[in-house]
Amino acid sequence: DQQVKQNSPSLSVQEGRISILNCDYTNSMFDYFLWYKKYPAEGPTFLISISSIKDKNEDGRFTVFLNKSAKHLSLHIVPSQPGDSAVYFCAALILYDYKLSFGAGTTVTVRA
Amino acid sequence: DVKVTQSSRYLVKRTGEKVFLECVQDMDHENMFWYRQDPGLGLRLIYFSYDVKMKEKGDIPEGYSVSREKKERFSLILESASTNQTSMYLCASSLEGNEQYFGPGTRLTVT
Repeated sequence: DQQVKQNSPSLSVQEGRISILNCDYTNSMFDYFLWYKKYPAEGPTFLISISSIKDKNEDGRFTVFLNKSAKHLSLHIVPSQPGDSAVYFCAALILYDYKLSFGAGTTVTVRA
Repeated sequence: DVKVTQSSRYLVKRTGEKVFLECVQDMDHENMFWYRQDPGLGLRLIYFSYDVKMKEKGDIPEGYSVSREKKERFSLILESASTNQTSMYLCASSLEGNEQYFGPGTRLTVT
């Protein structure tokens, strides 16, 4: 059973507007949450992460919010740019266990 | 920069063939991983290794085996390829339990 879920398979947003990607998880033991970005025919690249002891982490246009009580996190991209069109994967990690659990991914399309 | 390379970008094999996928990382990472990516399923862990000659099963190890004879190299082996193993295969490495660095992937088609 998937412990990390991304329930929106796709998202379309206009250039310059905000993209909000959502992720839910079931395992309260997760210590870290990560977002990866993937272009077609390339491997995923790390985007941003957040520790379970924080509720927000910001890096340039990217901000991740964590709501532990709801077991929910979100990635905000502001402003969205055409180069942001990609598949975004949410992932979670327990520190003593090296394995990442991935969501199914959300395909973001930024319209000009 | 961390570099993870995979031996082939595209591979076409016949049902029943033995298939080797090679992965090499150049950052002296302890941990290496093999995933497959399928539409609607995300990345699923096949096997991982936290040291030379050590291996652990992931979530979907059936039909696969691995080999890690040297720290920088992690091989995925399909003993007898089947059509349901047609997929994108991704290798990754990490130093500790945190961020993983991925290779470009191998698109395997089994006919």
